[in-house]
Amino acid sequence: GQNIDQPTEMTATEGAIVQINCTYQTSGFNGLFWYQQHAGEAPTFLSYNVLDGLEEKGRFSSFLSRSKGYSYLLLKELQMKDSASYLCAVLMDSNYQLIWGAGTKLIIKP
Amino acid sequence: ETGVTQSPTHLIKTRGQQVTLRCSSQSGHNTVSWYQQALGQGPQFIFQYYREEENGRGNFPPRFSGLQFPNYSSELNVNALELDDSALYLCASRTSVSTEAFFGQGTRLTVV
Repeated sequence: GQNIDQPTEMTATEGAIVQINCTYQTSGFNGLFWYQQHAGEAPTFLSYNVLDGLEEKGRFSSFLSRSKGYSYLLLKELQMKDSASYLCAVLMDSNYQLIWGAGTKLIIKP
Repeated sequence: ETGVTQSPTHLIKTRGQQVTLRCSSQSGHNTVSWYQQALGQGPQFIFQYYREEENGRGNFPPRFSGLQFPNYSSELNVNALELDDSALYLCASRTSVSTEAFFGQGTRLTVV
């Protein structure tokens, strides 16, 4: 079976840094996505990692270790608008379907 | 704006009824996937269409069916609705050679 694990909820302070972890065990792998989703809205793309290492994009960075089945999303200089759910998803290599984690609800406090 | 639009945005149906949800893909995107997202959960893959043919399916019963049209727009049909079908239904489109998918805003289906 396919398994993707993320913490259910995290709390952080405005202006701080937070790291959201994702571990996966899947029968295929063609890369890992991070999406942001505000309540009641569609997911929006944040990052895509297919090779090991860190990808930096502004305040957001994403890291992948394929040998460990592990990824994290790092958010810096947190803003109130960053309060949302963050979902990691593995792209399967069979037919390019996405297998999703349940998401991490991030709460930002002033 | 992702260029992917879904209709309707909200829908209330009675148990046992049938529903059709629609998705208009971004221009040039020949692949569309449909997902079901229950409250507080991640999306679950329903199926994927490429050039009007289903080429992938998740763990959903046959009463979930779909169509993709020559202009790459698509439909999700659900027969014999059950209360547990209440969810946000998302479609995502992409080109066949791209890994990034673009999501529509979703259809919130409530079954009562």
